[in-house]
Amino acid sequence: DGGITQSPKYLFRKEGQNVTLSCEQNLNHDAMYWYRQDPGQGLRLIYYSQIVNDFQKGDIAEGYSVSREKKESFPLTVTSAQKNPTAFYLCASSIVGGRQETQYFGPGTRLLVL
Amino acid sequence: GQQVMQIPQYQHVQEGEDFTTYCNSSTTLSNIQWYKQRPGGHPVFLIQLVKSGEVKKQKRLTFQFGEAKKNSSLHITATQTTDVGTYFCAGSGATGTASKLTFGTGTRLQVTL
Repeated sequence: DGGITQSPKYLFRKEGQNVTLSCEQNLNHDAMYWYRQDPGQGLRLIYYSQIVNDFQKGDIAEGYSVSREKKESFPLTVTSAQKNPTAFYLCASSIVGGRQETQYFGPGTRLLVL
Repeated sequence: GQQVMQIPQYQHVQEGEDFTTYCNSSTTLSNIQWYKQRPGGHPVFLIQLVKSGEVKKQKRLTFQFGEAKKNSSLHITATQTTDVGTYFCAGSGATGTASKLTFGTGTRLQVTL
């Protein structure tokens, strides 16, 4: 069963703590993305990656870091520098160079600050 | 940078009424995509429009891309309770690459019997 998985579904962060959100895909997609969604808001791009070992900052990268060591995996770390991390985090993937650039989303992780 | 706005932010209709959401970009787009997010869920791709003036239909949903490729609309005929959710447009400035999608602010649709 192909798709994107994100874990955990809910994550609690203490002040000053770094936390890592997992994103895995078995769609053989080259590109992967991380978005942040605040209540009643649209999606804002944090980071994206077109190929293994390469990634680019999105519109709101400050306080976040990513890695892309494997094609299937694109973990996001929310660092202590991110002062307002409470949000719904969505990971997505897509093919590169195709006619249709559909992004397929995972189920998301809700991050709450204690 | 590129900005994509949607109106209205929220619309509440009775089942059977029509619904339209409008999407406007600050820059010309190479293509526009539409996604639906059910309450508590994640966005799901609906359609992509590429050509100027393009119109596509999916059952009761009609999607249109403006002639100047800076605006788009989604029209739902005779809404049903299953249409409840938030509809996002997302614009891309380039094709053929993993280009950044700029998502609109979304229109939340509520349908009651």
